[in-house]
Amino acid sequence: DGGITQSPKYLFRKEGQNVTLSCEQNLNHDAMYWYRQDPGQGLRLIYYSQIVNDFQKGDIAEGYSVSREKKESFPLTVTSAQKNPTAFYLCASSTELSGANVLTFGAGSRLTVL
Amino acid sequence: GQNIDQPTEMTATEGAIVQINCTYQTSGFNGLFWYQQHAGEAPTFLSYNVLDGLEEKGRFSSFLSRSKGYSYLLLKELQMKDSASYLCAVTDSNYQLIWGAGTKLIIKP
Repeated sequence: DGGITQSPKYLFRKEGQNVTLSCEQNLNHDAMYWYRQDPGQGLRLIYYSQIVNDFQKGDIAEGYSVSREKKESFPLTVTSAQKNPTAFYLCASSTELSGANVLTFGAGSRLTVL
Repeated sequence: GQNIDQPTEMTATEGAIVQINCTYQTSGFNGLFWYQQHAGEAPTFLSYNVLDGLEEKGRFSSFLSRSKGYSYLLLKELQMKDSASYLCAVTDSNYQLIWGAGTKLIIKP
């Protein structure tokens, strides 16, 4: 079955540590995204990539970094510069369906800073 | 600024009908999406509206009025598994997705 795999599902980090969240897709989608979800707020875009070796900052890119060396993979690093990293992180990829750019999401990674 | 408004929480009874509203103020409009998200899980695509009117898909329907900046998601014959958050998202003139905070729907027996 095609889909998006995120790992780990739960992650704990001490302040000052960098952590990397994995996102792998086998849907053959060109575009991939990272969102952050906080209680009471809409999804906020961190980074997105429309093609291999290219990515763009979203609305809240500060304190985060990404790479897109392979079409299937779009890892997100949460650096120590991110002031409030505790959140639910969602990776997504997209394809066009009847004129709509429909997102398929991974199951998410919940990061907690201790 | 750009804004999507949805009720925070709604409660309905199993077997009944519920309507979840979404109003938006965005710079341009290129389509509106509804996604369903069960607690702790990934959002899944429900519907897409770009023209005014009603789109029906089984027990779920979605309506759009572009002149009013308004959409609703209608869920019929509610089942316990419909307990979830429902996210409204609008694509603006730059094709950026703007997300509402979601409506948590609680279904009671």
